[in-house]
Amino acid sequence: KAGVTQTPRYLIKTRGQQVTLSCSPISGHRSVSWYQQTPGQGLQFLFEYFSETQRNKGNFPGRFSGRQFSNSRSEMNVSTLELGDSALYLCASTPGWDLNEKLFFGSGTQLSVL
Amino acid sequence: AQTVTQSQPEMSVQEAETVTLSCTYDTSESNYYLFWYKQPPSRQMILVIRQEAYKQQNATENRFSVNFQKAAKSFSLKISDSQLGDTAMYFCAFNFGAGGTSYGKLTFGQGTILTVHP
Repeated sequence: KAGVTQTPRYLIKTRGQQVTLSCSPISGHRSVSWYQQTPGQGLQFLFEYFSETQRNKGNFPGRFSGRQFSNSRSEMNVSTLELGDSALYLCASTPGWDLNEKLFFGSGTQLSVL
Repeated sequence: AQTVTQSQPEMSVQEAETVTLSCTYDTSESNYYLFWYKQPPSRQMILVIRQEAYKQQNATENRFSVNFQKAAKSFSLKISDSQLGDTAMYFCAFNFGAGGTSYGKLTFGQGTILTVHP
């Protein structure tokens, strides 16, 4: 089975712009979660989608949004970028039925905001 | 609030030796799920081992084992026979349950950078 695929790997944007990141889960997985990783704040949960519905949301401002398509692929969008949004963004997929499920992570998108 | 603390920012070990990484947490939940993930330089997080809080027996996965002390809220990872490929950042992580609102939601510690020396 192919793993979790995130595109692009690297992205450079300027303040005020918006960005869209993509995540393709493992085939058959219906849950996709997104995380932000920074040296200062560590790994923080953004949101989780299951069958096109957001089930769970972390404590991020409304500039961070996401969606999931019928094929379980997910996108996250950050509008009006700030310097502090520079981070590694990781997505993870699971079947989505059990809290004990192993999360399968992608290699992340490294976003730099200048 | 639920918190996770890894008090060792960096550790090193010689190849073939044993090392223990520490993790403490705080929660008022009675059932929850505990994980250790590693993140090598490739950046891809990989599950090392997992434990359910209601299970008394400590989990073991080949060279990796945990020491789960529920009353003390401690969840340490022991790596035996360390190998060069174990060099990575290690995170303890928790799904603190809370019914149907916690799918995919892990709370991570700050991580411990482990270096295995030849």
